Amino acid sequence: QVQLKESGPGLVQPSETLSLTCTVSGFSLTSYSVSWVRQPSGKGPEWMGRMWYDGDTAYNSALKSRLSISRDTSKNQVFLKMNSLQTDDTGTYYCTRELWVTGYYFDYWGQGVMVTVSS
Amino acid sequence: DIQMTQSPASLSASLEEIVTITCQPSQDIGNYLSWYQQKPGKSPQLLIHSATSLADGVPSRFSGSRSGTQYSLKINRLQVEDTGIYYCLQGYSAPWTFGGGTKLELK
Repeated sequence: QVQLKESGPGLVQPSETLSLTCTVSGFSLTSYSVSWVRQPSGKGPEWMGRMWYDGDTAYNSALKSRLSISRDTSKNQVFLKMNSLQTDDTGTYYCTRELWVTGYYFDYWGQGVMVTVSS
Repeated sequence: DIQMTQSPASLSASLEEIVTITCQPSQDIGNYLSWYQQKPGKSPQLLIHSATSLADGVPSRFSGSRSGTQYSLKINRLQVEDTGIYYCLQGYSAPWTFGGGTKLELK
């Protein structure tokens, strides 16, 4: 069955770089796109960026200068790196499988990883 | 960016009641709208995609509709397990953007 699982450090120092891994199973990264979505505690989700099935990427312009998404198809993994972290980057980070039927949407979500930015 | 105005922000309803949540985009998004339910401490779960299509495994008491530029999620005969926060998402123009959420509680 389709599964996505995020992993990475729970605590990051301000101004440091966040590195997260999304490990997927039940589908191929060369057939489906994977997006990263984050959610500050008590707030709504925010789409961060996407790894297209063909290896291309797309980023939210608000984060583009700090964000990089890559993948290793042999390991079924998608990676997120975001630099210059600040306290308002604290929240839960999800990877999601993205589909297109009439519009893009997320049919499967990982369980999320909580990231706290603090010294 | 397309802004998604979701209402109400919170809602208290009784068991078996009909509940409606709406989303209004700041510009035309066609049928490129999906709805999600999020329980405390859990990831959002897809309910509706393409404005009106029920996702696999979602109870038929959930339905989505569109009237002009307003989109609605309707829950018929509210059940205990339907409490949570509901979000709409536009997947028409990047960056995809979510509504502010509707917190649904039982009265």
